[in-house]
Amino acid sequence: KQEVTQIPAALSVPEGENLVLNCSFTDSAIYNLQWFRQDPGKGLTSLLLIQSSQREQTSGRLNASLDKSSGRSTLYIAASQPGDSATYLCAVRGYGGATNKLIFGTGTLLAVQP
Amino acid sequence: NAGVTQTPKFQVLKTGQSMTLQCAQDMNHEYMSWYRQDPGMGLRLIHYSVGAGITDQGEVPNGYNVSRSTTEDFPLRLLSAAPSQTSVYFCASSYTGTGGSSSGNTIYFGEGSWLTVV
Repeated sequence: KQEVTQIPAALSVPEGENLVLNCSFTDSAIYNLQWFRQDPGKGLTSLLLIQSSQREQTSGRLNASLDKSSGRSTLYIAASQPGDSATYLCAVRGYGGATNKLIFGTGTLLAVQP
Repeated sequence: NAGVTQTPKFQVLKTGQSMTLQCAQDMNHEYMSWYRQDPGMGLRLIHYSVGAGITDQGEVPNGYNVSRSTTEDFPLRLLSAAPSQTSVYFCASSYTGTGGSSSGNTIYFGEGSWLTVV
């Protein structure tokens, strides 16, 4: 059974710092991996999606990498801002019947201090 | 274009009562799904649908029913509410369920429904 873990559970950094969020998964046979952002009391917003054949995806100050063989993905946030404060979740899809199912990690709560 | 709309936002139920959480999307998405989010457990898939008339179970389907009579709507029914169903429920939709490689296949989430069963 696929399990997705995100460490640390919470992170506090000063504004302007570059930071890395980690996501690990137990079954390397994934179809794709997705990173989301969740603001308090809100739904999830998709940030980046990496297909199994890709190594990384970039959007603005965000860069997500994928290493399937080691079961790991990282989300790099450059020059962090207070507006980046949120919970960040990663999720994976498997193959076959599991392709329609997102398996989520428990998230990393990020606080960027001004 | 309202995106994914969930109602109600807050609900308190007594044990044994039934209710329906509504979800509607106006993006002509084929794929819709329901998740529950609990502290320390992340989001878990309850049921999903890949099109009108087609539904399937997710990770935690027990105690919940769904139907998909139209492309736009995907209601989640709690048959006999239990305290273990106290949670935040999210509905999501996308063109397909696989994510795909196109930016047009972004998955959109509703803002959540907070349910307390006492």
